[in-house]
Amino acid sequence: EAQVTQNPRYLITVTGKKLTVTCSQNMNHEYMSWYRQDPGLGLRQIYYSMNVEVTDKGDVPEGYKVSRKEKRNFPLILESPSPNQTSLYFCASSWTVTNEKLFFGSGTQLSVL
Amino acid sequence: SQELEQSPQSLIVQEGKNLTINCTSSKTLYGLYWYKQKYGEGLIFLMMLQKGGEEKSHEKITAKLDEKKQQSSLHITASQPSHAGIYLCGALTFLSGNTPLVFGKGTRLSVIA
Repeated sequence: EAQVTQNPRYLITVTGKKLTVTCSQNMNHEYMSWYRQDPGLGLRQIYYSMNVEVTDKGDVPEGYKVSRKEKRNFPLILESPSPNQTSLYFCASSWTVTNEKLFFGSGTQLSVL
Repeated sequence: SQELEQSPQSLIVQEGKNLTINCTSSKTLYGLYWYKQKYGEGLIFLMMLQKGGEEKSHEKITAKLDEKKQQSSLHITASQPSHAGIYLCGALTFLSGNTPLVFGKGTRLSVIA
């Protein structure tokens, strides 16, 4: 089944403890992206990747890192999480960035205490 | 970044009633996407519109893109409880390049018996 898989689904952590949210797609998509969703602010893009080894900042990249060493994986790294990073995170992928629908993962609800 | 304005922000309708959600941009839209999200879950693709005046339907949901390609509407006929959720529009404002999808803040739809 074609899908974007995120893990974990829920995560509670403490300020400053490094964490990684994994994202994997099995559709051989070139484009992958991370979004965060907050009440009243909608979906905001954190980072995106046009292809392997190519990553770019989105609208809200501060406090996050990503890597794209393989086509299928696009992990989101929080080196030193803070409470303002408490949010619902989505990974998405598509063949290309233009004229292609995005496939979304089920989301990761992160709480930073 | 380009903003998409969605209206209304929230909507409560009685089961069986029709409703319309709007998505407006100040720039020309080269691709307009509608997604539905169940609370706390991932986004499910509904429809994509690209041409001015284009209209697509799926079951009881119809989406239109105006001739000027700056506004789209999503119309639900005879609403049902299964239609409840958050509807988001996403758009491409450039034909090529690294500009990814931007999203509106969403419209929360509740359908009551």
